[in-house]
Amino acid sequence: ETGVTQSPTHLIKTRGQQVTLRCSSQSGHNTVSWYQQALGQGPQFIFQYYREEENGRGNFPPRFSGLQFPNYSSELNVNALELDDSALYLCASSGRDVGSPLHFGNGTRLTVT
Amino acid sequence: AQKVTQAQTEISVVEKEDVTLDCVYETRDTTYYLFWYKQPPSGELVFLIRRNSFDEQNEISGRYSWNFQKSTSSFNFTITASQVVDSAVYFCALIPFSKGATNKLIFGTGTLLAVQP
Repeated sequence: ETGVTQSPTHLIKTRGQQVTLRCSSQSGHNTVSWYQQALGQGPQFIFQYYREEENGRGNFPPRFSGLQFPNYSSELNVNALELDDSALYLCASSGRDVGSPLHFGNGTRLTVT
Repeated sequence: AQKVTQAQTEISVVEKEDVTLDCVYETRDTTYYLFWYKQPPSGELVFLIRRNSFDEQNEISGRYSWNFQKSTSSFNFTITASQVVDSAVYFCALIPFSKGATNKLIFGTGTLLAVQP
């Protein structure tokens, strides 16, 4: 069974730039979620995708957007990067049902300078 | 409000000691799910356990045990005979279930457990 994989591992960007993070879901999982984890904090829900559509969103501005592909892999795009976007970005996959355990990847550490 | 509180920011113990990590949750929903995750320095969140709101039985898995008490809205996690490999940040999390809900985890702020040899 292949777990959740994320790329890249680390990334350094300049304020105002755009970034794309990628995620491959665990086999058998059709739902992908993205979380932002600031240093010393718990992860915060950004959004969730099911059948290539966003079906839940946290308190994040529209410059955070995503995609899900037919193979259930996903991308997180962030435009107009701000210093406060520096964080660990975690992707998780799960089954469709509410309460299904989420399985996380190792994350992408984004630093905005 | 839907919220998870982990009041212990950091705990330090010596190997072989028992340690309990506290978790208190708030939700207006009668159906919900509670989780514990472990986050080692590598960053990956490792799923440990899920409980639903209708199952208050305590659970034991090796050195790990969980105590779920709806009366106090608590879901505490105990590690018996701690080991250095248990050192990590531990997160308690909640998924409330209501009509139209998504599978969204609400995390606490985490407890950093340091086990000294």
